[in-house]
Amino acid sequence: AQSVTQLGSHVSVSEGALVLLRCNYSSSVPPYLFWYVQYPNQGLQLLLKYTSAATLVKGINGFEAEFKKSETSFHLTKPSAHMSDAAEYFCAVSGRLNDYKLSFGAGTTVTVRA
Amino acid sequence: DTGVSQNPRHKITKRGQNVTFRCDPISEHNRLYWYRQTLGQGPEFLTYFQNEAQLEKSRLLSDRFSAERPKGSFSTLEIQRTEQGDSAMYLCASSFSVGGGGGRGTEAFFGQGTRLTVV
Repeated sequence: AQSVTQLGSHVSVSEGALVLLRCNYSSSVPPYLFWYVQYPNQGLQLLLKYTSAATLVKGINGFEAEFKKSETSFHLTKPSAHMSDAAEYFCAVSGRLNDYKLSFGAGTTVTVRA
Repeated sequence: DTGVSQNPRHKITKRGQNVTFRCDPISEHNRLYWYRQTLGQGPEFLTYFQNEAQLEKSRLLSDRFSAERPKGSFSTLEIQRTEQGDSAMYLCASSFSVGGGGGRGTEAFFGQGTRLTVV
């Protein structure tokens, strides 16, 4: 079975500051890990995914995440926050490639201060 | 193709009534997933189809819930005798996948969801 835990339900950052969202996973098999973003009343959009090809994964909108097996973590970062980054972010895990029967974390809401 | 389409976007119903939601996936996608998302939580997997076959159902999917995907195209999710606890956002996603682990595939694209309120 696979699961993820997102640390911090809410993160507030200043525009231009580093964004760091934390995700730890638990998996009995090599995991496939994802970060999604959700804007109000919208569906989920994939930011990036880890499929074992490279531990540092670059995604859309300047986000990246690093897979650290020793720490069972897959934290999401963006060097400089923009007002448009205000949204809810979800970490998710799957046990198989191209399998979107995902287990999601509870989400982290990001607010960006001007 | 404009992506995954879900209808209606919003539904308010009285407790005890039946409701049905529809999902139209991206046309060439063979897999279709249903999720439920309650306020302040991440989406929870309900069920998924490969073509017209329903391959897995979560324990969250009680006997009052049924999903179909006739002809492997659009899908419907029906909730019978709705309860207030069914109030949630119901999300549909579709993807394309060939073969087992390691096969070709695309990411899953999500629809905008149907928000159900049971009063």
